Amino acid sequence: DIQMTQSPSTLSASVGDRVTITCRASRNINSWLAWYQQKPGKVPNVLIYQASTLESGVPSRFSGSESGTEFTLTISSLQSDDFATYYCQQYDTYPWTFGQGTKVEIK
Amino acid sequence: EVQLVESGGGLVQPGRSLRLSCAASGFGFETNVMHWVRQAPGKGLEWISGISWNIGEIAYADSVKGRFTLSRDKVRNSLYLEMNSLRVDDTAVYYCAKSGSSTWHLDSWGQGTLVTVSS
Repeated sequence: DIQMTQSPSTLSASVGDRVTITCRASRNINSWLAWYQQKPGKVPNVLIYQASTLESGVPSRFSGSESGTEFTLTISSLQSDDFATYYCQQYDTYPWTFGQGTKVEIK
Repeated sequence: EVQLVESGGGLVQPGRSLRLSCAASGFGFETNVMHWVRQAPGKGLEWISGISWNIGEIAYADSVKGRFTLSRDKVRNSLYLEMNSLRVDDTAVYYCAKSGSSTWHLDSWGQGTLVTVSS
């Protein structure tokens, strides 16, 4: 199975901060990577797919990039609505796998 | 509008069975893949199974292989997850989700149904 190693597990930040979350795949996943946001008690919501494509309706402060097997989600200017848990997920090969999640907390 | 509505969750004893359903509407099914993803209380997301709607190809996570069976009813536009030999660590919210027909990521999710395995 492909392992997705996400870091950090928790991140404390303030409104307006630039935030970066990293996800490393255990092998090549051909850019088949998505990022999801989940708020407590809510359904996950896709932000980015195919490593860097912004899902329709998602604010442009979210962006994704890749370098080999390392993937990055960046929030350019953190807003109060962005405090949530973020997950990466590979969908290159079954079984699909998620990262462990990154909880973005208010500093 | 895409709608995915799960049902069938509840409290069940270890070793027993349960069947989850997902009623889907609002999109063309032929080129889609449908999935189940679960989330144990306070834990992360775990993909557990997916089925190609048109050709019926199915995949499972190792954690459920041999115990869970995924199927679909093309007439009723419904997805089913038959869960056997349930264990305490199967306790989770189970989400039905669909892949985009050309983008493949999980682009729509149901609200989830809670399965609690406890004696």
